[in-house]
Amino acid sequence: EDQVTQSPEALRLQEGESSSLNCSYTVSGLRGLFWYRQDPGKGPEFLFTLYSAGEEKEKERLKATLTKKESFLHITAPKPEDSATYLCAVQGDYSTLTFGKGTMLLVSP
Amino acid sequence: KAGVTQTPRYLIKTRGQQVTLSCSPISGHRSVSWYQQTPGQGLQFLFEYFSETQRNKGNFPGRFSGRQFSNSRSEMNVSTLELGDSALYLCASSLGGASTDTQYFGPGTRLTVL
Repeated sequence: EDQVTQSPEALRLQEGESSSLNCSYTVSGLRGLFWYRQDPGKGPEFLFTLYSAGEEKEKERLKATLTKKESFLHITAPKPEDSATYLCAVQGDYSTLTFGKGTMLLVSP
Repeated sequence: KAGVTQTPRYLIKTRGQQVTLSCSPISGHRSVSWYQQTPGQGLQFLFEYFSETQRNKGNFPGRFSGRQFSNSRSEMNVSTLELGDSALYLCASSLGGASTDTQYFGPGTRLTVL
């Protein structure tokens, strides 16, 4: 059974204070690891897909990295508008997405 | 390009009733997946439809069912509602041709069971 664990559950940062979110996973045959952002009352918004260990992707202040056991979402100099819940999901041999419970990020001005 | 749309956005039902939720995927997308999101369990996969056929199914009771139409629009039905069915129900669409196609989510339907 595929499993995804995200840490920390919640993170409070000051504006400009860089940090990283962790996503640890076990999966039978990783086909892809996905990062989403979810704002309150809305559906998840796609951020990145990573396919193999060593891969990295960037978008504005966000950078996602992947190893064989975990992924990190690095947030550089965050702004209050980066406040959201960040979800990690893996897709394995069963071809369905298994999600972690997310990290709730709050960035204070 | 219009995103995934879900109707209705909010529903209040009582125990024992049934409910039907609707999802219209992004134009050109042929796969639709449904998820249940609760504070305790997070996002859990319900089922996936591709070309009107159920391709995958999660670990939910038979009270939860779905279907997909020829235009790729999808509906899910929950019969004999229980209090524990209160959740945000999310629909996601993807191109469907490859197993790693990105899934794009709709805004969800908030179901409250009283």
